[in-house]
Amino acid sequence: ETGVTQSPTHLIKTRGQQVTLRCSSQSGHNTVSWYQQALGQGPQFIFQYYREEENGRGNFPPRFSGLQFPNYSSELNVNALELDDSALYLCASSLAGSTDTQYFGPGTRLTVL
Amino acid sequence: RKEVEQDPGPFNVPEGATVAFNCTYSNSASQSFFWYRQDCRKEPKLLMSVYSSGNEDGRFTAQLNRASQYISLLIRDSKLSDSATYLCVVNLKTGANNLFFGTGTRLTVIP
Repeated sequence: ETGVTQSPTHLIKTRGQQVTLRCSSQSGHNTVSWYQQALGQGPQFIFQYYREEENGRGNFPPRFSGLQFPNYSSELNVNALELDDSALYLCASSLAGSTDTQYFGPGTRLTVL
Repeated sequence: RKEVEQDPGPFNVPEGATVAFNCTYSNSASQSFFWYRQDCRKEPKLLMSVYSSGNEDGRFTAQLNRASQYISLLIRDSKLSDSATYLCVVNLKTGANNLFFGTGTRLTVIP
């Protein structure tokens, strides 16, 4: 196992609600990246956090936001949920400067009804 | 245009067969290249990095052609346990060093 954990495992929400997903990175890893994987697609980069600041962002609207804490764990927040937000949300931890090697957590499966 | 394009398959092959997957990437500035494996409803896991000189790990061989912007993965002597989705991945190594994933190629090895 990678040592990256995510919670919750599964989540069901309705349109318009807000959700917070959590990720604990592998010990010693200071960089966390979040990805969205829709059914039948590859993961799509949402954003990355390093030293508690956003360090890059993919093509996702501002209602997707995040945090990183001093212990390097991270949260992904999504406001005003839409049906298309239904997906597997993956976080990956890595060491700054070695972000080629990203270790993925098991993901949170979000269903928006 | 997608950064990484793959044939989604599915590829259904008998045990012992050799199977090859290909992908192309659009940005010539891409710096690093990988194949990841993803089992059903699980997270992606790094299978191997891909270098211009090619690299081999047991039954798996990966190749990169920078001129054609083309990456390949060859699996020899397929095992039932090879059944999974294989994701082609590139890293532009700019900004956030995020990984760009293809849609994946699904492989089923049949007894």
